[in-house]
Amino acid sequence: NAGVTQTPKFQVLKTGQSMTLQCAQDMNHEYMSWYRQDPGMGLRLIHYSVGAGITDQGEVPNGYNVSRSTTEDFPLRLLSAAPSQTSVYFCASSFDRARELFFGEGSRLTVL
Amino acid sequence: KQEVTQIPAALSVPEGENLVLNCSFTDSAIYNLQWFRQDPGKGLTSLLLIQSSQREQTSGRLNASLDKSSGRSTLYIAASQPGDSATYLCAVRPIQGAQKLVFGQGTRLTINP
Repeated sequence: NAGVTQTPKFQVLKTGQSMTLQCAQDMNHEYMSWYRQDPGMGLRLIHYSVGAGITDQGEVPNGYNVSRSTTEDFPLRLLSAAPSQTSVYFCASSFDRARELFFGEGSRLTVL
Repeated sequence: KQEVTQIPAALSVPEGENLVLNCSFTDSAIYNLQWFRQDPGKGLTSLLLIQSSQREQTSGRLNASLDKSSGRSTLYIAASQPGDSATYLCAVRPIQGAQKLVFGQGTRLTINP
């Protein structure tokens, strides 16, 4: 089973560049979300979606954009990368709020 | 605001010991609590999910308990092995704002051969 798949695993950007982190799940999950993990800060929610066509902001949404055109995919866009966005990004999904949350392997992003 | 605390931040024990990891949360209005394991440079792997109506869940050598009224959960690991070395995180899903899990900072566990 593929589960939650994230690409790329590693990326280096220059300040001001834009890019998209891809996330796909094959479990027919309605809930999908993006977290970032930073030393000393733990995991923080960036954006989430409760179904195709529905997205909302989490704790730290500034500088990021999302869309959910299909149940399977939930890409995260960095509009104009900044060094403060250097982090490890995790995509996660669950069938609903009562079920387990499954994480992808993460995407490590460095912004120079 | 829901807060989740895991103490200690790090724990080192010899192989074969039984051990308990602690998780506390400030608001008992939760749907469930989930324990994860994270290996260095890897994603989070789900270990156990306890619904708010449950008292415990077991999977192999792992047993997680939940006392919602006191805001506490424990993860019991029996007969620890070096392969259990990892960071263990607990997370609660609050009833208000259920789309956002609230994570603890984790306990970094080292099992010494």
